[in-house]
Amino acid sequence: DAGVTQSPTHLIKTRGQQVTLRCSPISGHKSVSWYQQVLGQGPQFIFQYYEKEERGRGNFPDRFSARQFPNYSSELNVNALLLGDSALYLCASSLGQGFDEQFFGPGTRLTVL
Amino acid sequence: AQSVTQLDSHVSVSEGTPVLLRCNYSSSYSPSLFWYVQHPNKGLQLLLKYTSAATLVKGINGFEAEFKKSETSFHLTKPSAHMSDAAEYFCVVRAISGGYNKLIFGAGTRLAVHP
Repeated sequence: DAGVTQSPTHLIKTRGQQVTLRCSPISGHKSVSWYQQVLGQGPQFIFQYYEKEERGRGNFPDRFSARQFPNYSSELNVNALLLGDSALYLCASSLGQGFDEQFFGPGTRLTVL
Repeated sequence: AQSVTQLDSHVSVSEGTPVLLRCNYSSSYSPSLFWYVQHPNKGLQLLLKYTSAATLVKGINGFEAEFKKSETSFHLTKPSAHMSDAAEYFCVVRAISGGYNKLIFGAGTRLAVHP
């Protein structure tokens, strides 16, 4: 079975632009979570979606938004990009909401110039 | 509030010697704790998890961790390091906040393994 997939792998944007990152969970997984990992730090929780509804949100500004589609794939959108948004964005999927085991994708490396 | 503190940002060992990566946690209730490993240009991989069953948890690739409530610690160990163990390791606690769960990651420990 394929693992969690994310696209694109790398992305370069300029300040003020908008970006959309995509994630496909493992088949059968209904929960998707998004994390931001700034260089040299541990990942920070952004969102959790389960059964197409937002179930949790971390301490991120409203410029960050996400959604989950009927096939359980997910998109993360970031508006009005700032230099500080440069990071590795990780998607993780799990069977349910309980977080007992999350499977991570390889991430999307976003660089904001 | 739940949190984890990884006590070493870098650990360097020789191949074949034991590995010890230290983690302390803070939790107002019985925690769920995890260790994840991140190899360069690869996604995070779950090494092991503690969810209030046995205090000694065995994971993949020969790693294990012991939950010590009295010391609020969850240190990761391996008897004999291999070159392929060189990576970033994250101690993680599951937090319940506002009715939902989220994972809180430590800052990470970079493990270097020398021949």
